[in-house]
Amino acid sequence: QVRLHQWGAGLLKPSETLSLTCAVYGGSVSGYYWSWIRQAPGKGLEWIGEINHGGNTNYNPSLKSRVTLSVGTANNHFSLRLTSVTAADTAVYYCASLVSVGYYFDLWAQGTLVTVSS
Amino acid sequence: QSVLTQPPSVSGAPGQRVTLSCTGSTSNIGAGYDVHWYRQLPGTAPKLLVYGHNNRPSGVPDRFSGSKSATSASLVISGLQAEDEADYYCHSYDNNMSGSVFGGGTKLTVL
Repeated sequence: QVRLHQWGAGLLKPSETLSLTCAVYGGSVSGYYWSWIRQAPGKGLEWIGEINHGGNTNYNPSLKSRVTLSVGTANNHFSLRLTSVTAADTAVYYCASLVSVGYYFDLWAQGTLVTVSS
Repeated sequence: QSVLTQPPSVSGAPGQRVTLSCTGSTSNIGAGYDVHWYRQLPGTAPKLLVYGHNNRPSGVPDRFSGSKSATSASLVISGLQAEDEADYYCHSYDNNMSGSVFGGGTKLTVL
């Protein structure tokens, strides 16, 4: 059974870079699409972007200039970097697997609360 | 402002049937893309509930059913139970975004 587990720094100062990693257990990053989604406190879900095992990416246009997704087939993980964070980036960040046929998220990790505060 | 529009709250009594709506546009639902539904309990990650043409992951009871028409979609929950109290989100693909869009979520309260 495939499971996702994510980790990364939970407290950042404005202008710093957010970095999160998501590991795939019981499966392979190869042959699938992987996504990052965030949820600001008390708010709805916001799609950040997606990447496949070949490194092809799609980003939310509102975040595109600051986001980089990468995938590591050797250690079976994928990562998110978001530069120049502000308080508006405070949110719970989730990694998820995307089923490309039908385009839905079938598996989610536990989430990481990232707080941006001076 | 979410691209897909959901009512902020819906309520129903145990045993009743409730309908959660999700309204989009010609760049997402109206373009023919599937609509999917997720349930989120407080403090936990969203979980896939219904996907595509009324498909359910293993373990999701058939009390949950999804449908789509023109630029909108609905999630129907029949035989409402106390444990159904949660936030529900709809999701689709959007041509303008070239990616995913979500509804703002509906909080379901079981009276």
